[in-house]
Amino acid sequence: AQSVTQLGSHVSVSEGALVLLRCNYSSSVPPYLFWYVQYPNQGLQLLLKYTSAATLVKGINGFEAEFKKSETSFHLTKPSAHMSDAAEYFCAVSGRRGNEKLTFGTGTRLTIIP
Amino acid sequence: NAGVTQTPKFQVLKTGQSMTLQCAQDMNHNSMYWYRQDPGMGLRLIYYSASEGTTDKGEVPNGYNVSRLNKREFSLRLESAAPSQTSVYFCASSEMAGASYEQYFGPGTRLTVT
Repeated sequence: AQSVTQLGSHVSVSEGALVLLRCNYSSSVPPYLFWYVQYPNQGLQLLLKYTSAATLVKGINGFEAEFKKSETSFHLTKPSAHMSDAAEYFCAVSGRRGNEKLTFGTGTRLTIIP
Repeated sequence: NAGVTQTPKFQVLKTGQSMTLQCAQDMNHNSMYWYRQDPGMGLRLIYYSASEGTTDKGEVPNGYNVSRLNKREFSLRLESAAPSQTSVYFCASSEMAGASYEQYFGPGTRLTVT
């Protein structure tokens, strides 16, 4: 079974600084990987996904993530944080077989310091 | 398009009471899901329906039942609510059941069981 570990339940960055949210996966074969964002009092929204095309995946709102097989990582980055990025971010993993389901990490709450 | 809608938004139950959470999607999606979100635990899959007429257990099905009423609607029932079921419940849908298909989430139902 696949699983993901998100390092850091809370991350604070200054406005304009680099955002780095960490996600490591556990899987015997390269999985599908996802980042979702949850704004306060809302449902989750897909930021980006890796399904084995390019290892550097670009998403919405200026976010990107790089799949690194050697490190079993799929960290989320954004060069310059904006106040509107304050939210909770979830990494998720799935196997590649037809009917596999998403397994979510425990989430990282991102706070932006003005 | 409204996307995925959930009712009610908030609910307080006493232990032993029953209730049904409603979910509907207007995207003509085949697959629908129910998750619960608890602090520090991310989202966990309760039940899913890969297509109209089918339902399957997820990671945490105990204490819940579901009905895929038609292609649009997927309800979650708590027959005898327990305090351990205090949580935020999210419904989601996707075009097909495979994990490579993006899941679209509703705004959630916040349930408190006293």
